[in-house]
Amino acid sequence: GDSVTQMEGPVTLSEEAFLTINCTYTATGYPSLFWYVQYPGEGLQLLLKATKADDKGSNKGFEATYRKETTSFHLEKGSVQVSDSAVYFCALRANTGNQFYFGTGTSLTVIP
Amino acid sequence: KAGVTQTPRYLIKTRGQQVTLSCSPISGHRSVSWYQQTPGQGLQFLFEYFSETQRNKGNFPGRFSGRQFSNSRSEMNVSTLELGDSALYLCASSLGGTRMNTEAFFGQGTRLTVV
Repeated sequence: GDSVTQMEGPVTLSEEAFLTINCTYTATGYPSLFWYVQYPGEGLQLLLKATKADDKGSNKGFEATYRKETTSFHLEKGSVQVSDSAVYFCALRANTGNQFYFGTGTSLTVIP
Repeated sequence: KAGVTQTPRYLIKTRGQQVTLSCSPISGHRSVSWYQQTPGQGLQFLFEYFSETQRNKGNFPGRFSGRQFSNSRSEMNVSTLELGDSALYLCASSLGGTRMNTEAFFGQGTRLTVV
C-alpha cells in the first residue's frame, strides 16, 4: 500500500545552517506530494506541494523536488531561522481517492 | 476567507462516555476528512465525507463514526471511550471532486483527553 518514510528526528540546527529532511514514498501510479508544518498546539499548515515528477515546490525559502526515479521528496532550506522550529510532515495523496498518507514527522529546533 | 474551524478545542471525557466533535470546512469545500494524531501512531486517517456520503474509511473500530450535513459541516462521534482514544483529532477540508491534485487545509484540531 501507499506509505511515506521520513527522516527520524529530532533535528537541532544553529541559525543560518542548511536544512535537509529526507522523505521517500511508496505508491502506485503518480501521487501528489506535500510538506506540512505543525507548530506547538496547532494543526497542520501546508508548506509546499508538487503534483508531478520533476515539479519543484517552494515557499518561505523551503524547497522540495518530486523525484520519481528515487521516489523522494526531500525538504531543503538554505538558511534556517529560529522561527522555523516546528514539526515537519511529508505526505502523499494517491491519484485515486482523497486520503493523505503521512510520515512520522521530524521535529526541528533552531537555536540562535 | 475563513479557515477550517473545529470545535471544541479541548475536551476531557471519562472512559465509557461518548463524544462528538465538529468541523466546519472552508466555504465551497465539499470534502471533509478526519485524522487522529497520537505520539505513538502519528497521523492516521479515520474517514472522508464528500457530499454527505462517506467516501473512504480507515482502519478504526466501529466506535468511530461520522456524518456530513448538507452545508458540508461534519461531525465525528466516538462511543464508549477508551484511554487510548486520547489524541488530537484533525479535520481536513478540500475541494474534493475529481481534482485530485488539490491540497487539504487543516483545522487546529480538538484535543481529546480520556481519563
